[in-house]
Amino acid sequence: AQSVAQPEDQVNVAEGNPLTVKCTYSVSGNPYLFWYVQYPNRGLQFLLKYITGDNLVKGSYGFEAEFNKSQTSFHLKKPSALVSDSALYFCAVRISGGGADGLTFGKGTHLIIQP
Amino acid sequence: DGGITQSPKYLFRKEGQNVTLSCEQNLNHDAMYWYRQDPGQGLRLIYYSQIVNDFQKGDIAEGYSVSREKKESFPLTVTSAQKNPTAFYLCATASDTRLNYGYTFGSGTRLTVV
Repeated sequence: AQSVAQPEDQVNVAEGNPLTVKCTYSVSGNPYLFWYVQYPNRGLQFLLKYITGDNLVKGSYGFEAEFNKSQTSFHLKKPSALVSDSALYFCAVRISGGGADGLTFGKGTHLIIQP
Repeated sequence: DGGITQSPKYLFRKEGQNVTLSCEQNLNHDAMYWYRQDPGQGLRLIYYSQIVNDFQKGDIAEGYSVSREKKESFPLTVTSAQKNPTAFYLCATASDTRLNYGYTFGSGTRLTVV
């Protein structure tokens, strides 16, 4: 079985400050990890993914995430937050080599950037 | 959300009615998925299909049905057996069944029971 935990329902950050949205995972094999962003009443948009290789992954809109195997974490980060980054963020996982039975999503974290 | 069209954007259902949500894609993706989104619960998998004329139940399939007669289309029917259907429904596709590239999502359908 695979699972994802996003321990914070909401993260508040002042504009210009660095931001971190936390994600931890549990899988029985090697994970494929993803971050998506959702704006109100819209579908999810892909931000970045980790499949293999460098532990630091760079994605869209200046976001990056660091894969940490020992801590089973894949936290999303950005050096300087923008008000427009305010949205709902989802972490997702699947096992590499597994069947196409879909990604497992966390419950989401609301990111609020205050001007 | 380019390449995936979900319709309608808003849908209202009376008690005891079946309703069908449409998902059409022009991405030539093999795999298609239906998720349900409720506040604070993330996304939960309803059904998925890897190929035409084949589909599998997800974690919360009870009260839902699907078909996959064409590669481009994966409609979801919410039946009267689904006791709490009010939610935001998302259709997604994947270009490969190993999900190396993750999903592409539609813009969603918000279903409300009245």
